Amino acid sequence: AQKVTQAQTEISVVEKEDVTLDCVYETRDTTYYLFWYKQPPSGELVFLIRRNSFDEQNEISGRYSWNFQKSTSSFNFTITASQVVDSAVYFCALSEAGRDTDKLIFGTGTRLQVFP
Amino acid sequence: SAVISQKPSRDICQRGTSLTIQCQVDSQVTMMFWYRQQPGQSLTLIATANQGSEATYESGFVIDKFPISRPNLTFSTLTVSNMSPEDSSIYLCSVGRRGEAFFGQGTRLTVV
Repeated sequence: AQKVTQAQTEISVVEKEDVTLDCVYETRDTTYYLFWYKQPPSGELVFLIRRNSFDEQNEISGRYSWNFQKSTSSFNFTITASQVVDSAVYFCALSEAGRDTDKLIFGTGTRLQVFP
Repeated sequence: SAVISQKPSRDICQRGTSLTIQCQVDSQVTMMFWYRQQPGQSLTLIATANQGSEATYESGFVIDKFPISRPNLTFSTLTVSNMSPEDSSIYLCSVGRRGEAFFGQGTRLTVV
């Protein structure tokens, strides 16, 4: 069965600190997709990244970076020089390839609080 | 990307009543998904709605409680029936496009 684990329930940092959010997944599929979403207090889900299982290259987008390690089934998310606006709940998610590509299994989320 | 409009954005309902949530997408999609997010919890898939066929429900969710309609390729509704306070949640509609899953802004439901 597929499963996503975000062991960190809540993280608090002070502005400008770097912070890494952990995500560990389980799947028997060889082809799958991994996602990160941000949910600010307003409640909407903001798409951050999608990574397919064949692409293990790390990705950087501004202050955000993602480290995909297939060997440890992890897809961690780092925010560099955090800002107050980064305060949100962050979800890691997994989907199968093929017909159910768009059906996501979410982790329990990590609440990030960035203090000024 | 996909633009998804959900209505209502929030509602406060009396227990025992029903609420229908609408989801409109800006272009045709084969499958639409409905998720529930209970307070402080993660998102859980309720069902997958295909146009022209009955929705497929996940374990723990039944059609009598969460009837879904999918009359065309751009629209779906989810009804939360005979509501109780335990149904207080955010309900989100989602569609996929080229491997990305897009979400509506959600319907925040409070049952009193």
